[in-house]
Amino acid sequence: QKEVEQDPGPLSVPEGAIVSLNCTYSNSAFQYFMWYRQYSRKGPELLMYTYSSGNKEDGRFTAQVDKSSKYISLFIRDSQPSDSATYLCAMILTNAGKSTFGDGTTLTVKP
Amino acid sequence: ETGVTQTPRHLVMGMTNKKSLKCEQHLGHNAMYWYKQSAKKPLELMFVYNFKEQTENNSVPSRFSPECPNSSHLFLHLHTLQPEDSALYLCASSLGDGKEGHGYTFGSGTRLTVV
Repeated sequence: QKEVEQDPGPLSVPEGAIVSLNCTYSNSAFQYFMWYRQYSRKGPELLMYTYSSGNKEDGRFTAQVDKSSKYISLFIRDSQPSDSATYLCAMILTNAGKSTFGDGTTLTVKP
Repeated sequence: ETGVTQTPRHLVMGMTNKKSLKCEQHLGHNAMYWYKQSAKKPLELMFVYNFKEQTENNSVPSRFSPECPNSSHLFLHLHTLQPEDSALYLCASSLGDGKEGHGYTFGSGTRLTVV
């Protein structure tokens, strides 16, 4: 079993839709949670990171962590064609110094 | 362009060739990483360097040889590669030793094709 499971996608939505991207994990020792966005032919770009359970908002993006259920989500409001990319969740074990990544979900936002 | 620069962007090499990938960051980060990204697979950690010292080798075949002369530069030396080594090789850096969850800054990667 993978330590991090990410909804496989691909996901296609119309412009303006609310998008939900999700990951589950098995190791309760994961303490830091990140979301990266990767455009085609580019490296991943850190979007958000959080430590605690709850919600963290940044503009149109909200990261949600539920440690009791070992579940994290990224919500995108008012999605735009420029949001079309692959989204990667990542997690760090306390004091491990390395991230474990999900497989990624490819999102297409159609105008 | 991000704060992490990788060269070359594309590389085609034969199985008997020797080549090197270069990564450079001037973000003041102390940790640097090599990752391999293949289609439909998660990012695979290859090597980790903290303050120029290698702290992780994730069971990578010896045909991949990393070098970190200082905290700003990282190389990946390649020799006698196999076609299955064709992938996007990503360099990343992070503040501190990466344990605090600040996240990574990635370069754009080198698209490697082994023929």
